[in-house]
Amino acid sequence: AQTVTQSQPEMSVQEAETVTLSCTYDTSESNYYLFWYKQPPSRQMILVIRQEAYKQQNATENRFSVNFQKAAKSFSLKISDSQLGDTAMYFCAFMKPLTGANSKLTFGKGITLSVRP
Amino acid sequence: DAGVIQSPRHEVTEMGQEVTLRCKPISGHDYLFWYRQTMMRGLELLIYFNNNVPIDDSGMPEDRFSAKMPNASFSTLKIQPSEPRDSAVYFCASSLTRFTDTQYFGPGTRLTVL
Repeated sequence: AQTVTQSQPEMSVQEAETVTLSCTYDTSESNYYLFWYKQPPSRQMILVIRQEAYKQQNATENRFSVNFQKAAKSFSLKISDSQLGDTAMYFCAFMKPLTGANSKLTFGKGITLSVRP
Repeated sequence: DAGVIQSPRHEVTEMGQEVTLRCKPISGHDYLFWYRQTMMRGLELLIYFNNNVPIDDSGMPEDRFSAKMPNASFSTLKIQPSEPRDSAVYFCASSLTRFTDTQYFGPGTRLTVL
């Protein structure tokens, strides 16, 4: 079974600074998908960024980028120019490209990010 | 598009009562997922549908839980009878045409069972 580990429960960053959130995963698959989701106080789960394991290039979405290290099974999220609205819980998630009972979106425990004014 | 719509947003009920949570997926999405989020267990997949057919319900905790998808634009998650340990936030999500397409989540329903 796949596992996703987010070892940092909380982080804090000054507004306009850069912060990196860590995530590691364990799998024997060679092809899979990785995601970062954001959950603000409103509780809604919002997709931040997605990475396909077969792509070597790191995904980027505006101020959000990932550092995908496939050999190390590491998938960190970098938030540049942090904004107060980035305050939220962030979840790392893993999915392998199969259907049925053996595949699902597996989430880490999440990390609470606070952006200080 | 309005996104995934869930109702109610909050539900407070007493132990033993029946609870029905509702979800309208994004139009054109073939997959629908039900998740539960608690502090202790994090986010758990309960069940998912493809083209209105339940594919995997292995995450449904027990027989008190049931889910249906009578058509492409509506799904329900029912708990009967409800228990205090069912208190959680329940999310519905949908994705386009492939299982590995990005899942888009609804705002969630916060259920409190007294």
